[in-house]
Amino acid sequence: TQLLEQSPQFLSIQEGENLTVYCNSSSVFSSLQWYRQEPGEGPVLLVTVVTGGEVKKLKRLTFQFGDARKDSSLHITAAQPGDTGLYLCAGAQGGKLIFGQGTELSVKP
Amino acid sequence: EAGVAQSPRYKIIEKRQSVAFWCNPISGHATLYWYQQILGQGPKLLIQFQNNGVVDDSQLPKDRFSAERLKGVDSTLKIQPAKLEDSAVYLCASSLGPQSSGNTIYFGEGSWLTVV
Repeated sequence: TQLLEQSPQFLSIQEGENLTVYCNSSSVFSSLQWYRQEPGEGPVLLVTVVTGGEVKKLKRLTFQFGDARKDSSLHITAAQPGDTGLYLCAGAQGGKLIFGQGTELSVKP
Repeated sequence: EAGVAQSPRYKIIEKRQSVAFWCNPISGHATLYWYQQILGQGPKLLIQFQNNGVVDDSQLPKDRFSAERLKGVDSTLKIQPAKLEDSAVYLCASSLGPQSSGNTIYFGEGSWLTVV
């Protein structure tokens, strides 16, 4: 059983489209992080959200932490081919970082 | 600034053989992690070191996996004997201090293991 469920698992869209990736759990996390992983490389941290209801923006990416600190979403506006990659959410719980299974995003030109 | 270095990048071995992976963390980083990432899954923590001491190895299959960080800098992860299900990317990561204290974790490129 996955502690953190990400959806969708795969997403293929055209350049310029918007998309949202979800990260859900029945557990509460002290913080939640989003990473992006390109093929053949390790994950790279995009953002950390700490407060329930918090919204952070990083250029065309908008991250939201749920009020109850159990879920999060990542919204990308006007996706570009450079956004292609594996997006991972990770929740901090008991001193550990627990990763979701990832969302594989492909943005076609 | 140099990132987390790992070697080898790729390794193919037969089941029941042994393999070792090496990691050199970012200079000055006290916390070092080994994660296992199976294809289609997120990384799973195998072991966490604080300097040369083990903080968490609860998910390390200790009958076949071992890891050490003798001088508090470089680390090695060994698998002996390997099983087919050990085929995965082994990611080393480091941070200034524990992630639980708000420190950012930096990952290496990973060592890809295929067990045949």
